[in-house]
Amino acid sequence: GESVGLHLPTLSVQEGDNSIINCAYSNSASDYFIWYKQESGKGPQFIIDIRSNMDKRQGQRVTVLLNKTVKHLSLQIAATQPGDSAVYFCAETFPGSARQLTFGSGTQLTVLP
Amino acid sequence: IAGITQAPTSQILAAGRRMTLRCTQDMRHNAMYWYRQDLGLGLRLIHYSNTAGTTGKGEVPDGYSVSRANTDDFPLTLASAVPSQTSVYFCASSPKLAGGMNEQFFGPGTRLTVL
Repeated sequence: GESVGLHLPTLSVQEGDNSIINCAYSNSASDYFIWYKQESGKGPQFIIDIRSNMDKRQGQRVTVLLNKTVKHLSLQIAATQPGDSAVYFCAETFPGSARQLTFGSGTQLTVLP
Repeated sequence: IAGITQAPTSQILAAGRRMTLRCTQDMRHNAMYWYRQDLGLGLRLIHYSNTAGTTGKGEVPDGYSVSRANTDDFPLTLASAVPSQTSVYFCASSPKLAGGMNEQFFGPGTRLTVL
């Protein structure tokens, strides 16, 4: 079956640096992607989404890039802060899936002081 | 406005017992979902409901059942709990507008331990 995966399970960055979290997806029919942030003991929280007709989308301190050619998306966090420490999940959905989300296994981001 | 609430927050359960995890949303969202989250495996869909009165099976439905009698509530029942059902369970909801994309809003989770 199709799956969404992450290149790295953990990522450590210095406070103030930029973070880049990567995600590979295998279903070329996927047309909508979401990044979620999950802090310890809490449910996932929506960060940003992107549709397949876009290559880039920016939010507050976050940018998502989508490369459909290699089926890859990334989440960039500018000026990473201690509060950004969390597990980040990418999720995909595609037509015919009843718009259900398929989640990757997550990347643990740790912000170092 | 609470968004999505789940109960209980945590539970320790003896194997073979029946357990219902509760989920309520006050956003009038059409679609609701139940996921389990296990270390290293991310979120896996158990069951979903696109609208009140309908339900469907997700990736890992065995051993679980759901009902959707109204828009707000989506309980998940374990008829006879087994240790492999030890997990953190998340309920989610989505407006699921026609033709729209599917941002989901998550509850705080229920940590279930089956002994």
